[in-house]
Amino acid sequence: GENVEQHPSTLSVQEGDSAVIKCTYSDSASNYFPWYKQELGKRPQLIIDIRSNVGEKKDQRIAVTLNKTAKHFSLHITETQPEDSAVYFCAASTGTASKLTFGTGTRLQVTL
Amino acid sequence: DAGVIQSPRHEVTEMGQEVTLRCKPISGHNSLFWYRQTMMRGLELLIYFNNNVPIDDSGMPEDRFSAKMPNASFSTLKIQPSEPRDSAVYFCASSPGHSADTQYFGPGTRLTVL
Repeated sequence: GENVEQHPSTLSVQEGDSAVIKCTYSDSASNYFPWYKQELGKRPQLIIDIRSNVGEKKDQRIAVTLNKTAKHFSLHITETQPEDSAVYFCAASTGTASKLTFGTGTRLQVTL
Repeated sequence: DAGVIQSPRHEVTEMGQEVTLRCKPISGHNSLFWYRQTMMRGLELLIYFNNNVPIDDSGMPEDRFSAKMPNASFSTLKIQPSEPRDSAVYFCASSPGHSADTQYFGPGTRLTVL
């Protein structure tokens, strides 16, 4: 089955700096890659996603890149703000009934 | 749309008792997922349904856990008997389920087994 690895497990950046979180996946049939943000005590919420026919997608300060050949994808957050502090999960799906395989999460801390 | 609804939001019970968690998916969604989240093990998929049929229950930790989806708008996750190591946050998520789709999570049920 699919295996998703996520790095780093923790990341601390200063406000205004950029943050990058990287994930690799094992199943070349995976074609959908969402990113979720989970604030303390809250549910995971989708922040951005990308499909395998696209190499990059941006939404304001957030961008995701996908390299299908290398089987890795990354989340980029620019001009980080304290409210970006949360745990971020990457995931991958082959499309089978929308099952997602999640990474282990990255705890992002944005310091003032 | 109300989103995915879970009840109860918090449950405290004693070891050996039966616990039933409930989920109402988003109307029109065909896939439903049950997850367990702990600090040690992260976010684990327990079981998922497509069109009310269980597709993969390989994540269910043991026979004490069971899940049902009697209709498109309701699912339950039951633990009998409960143990302290079952303490976790249990999330239900739903998805349109046609192919590779976003999953929308409910608010979760925080279970504490004493």
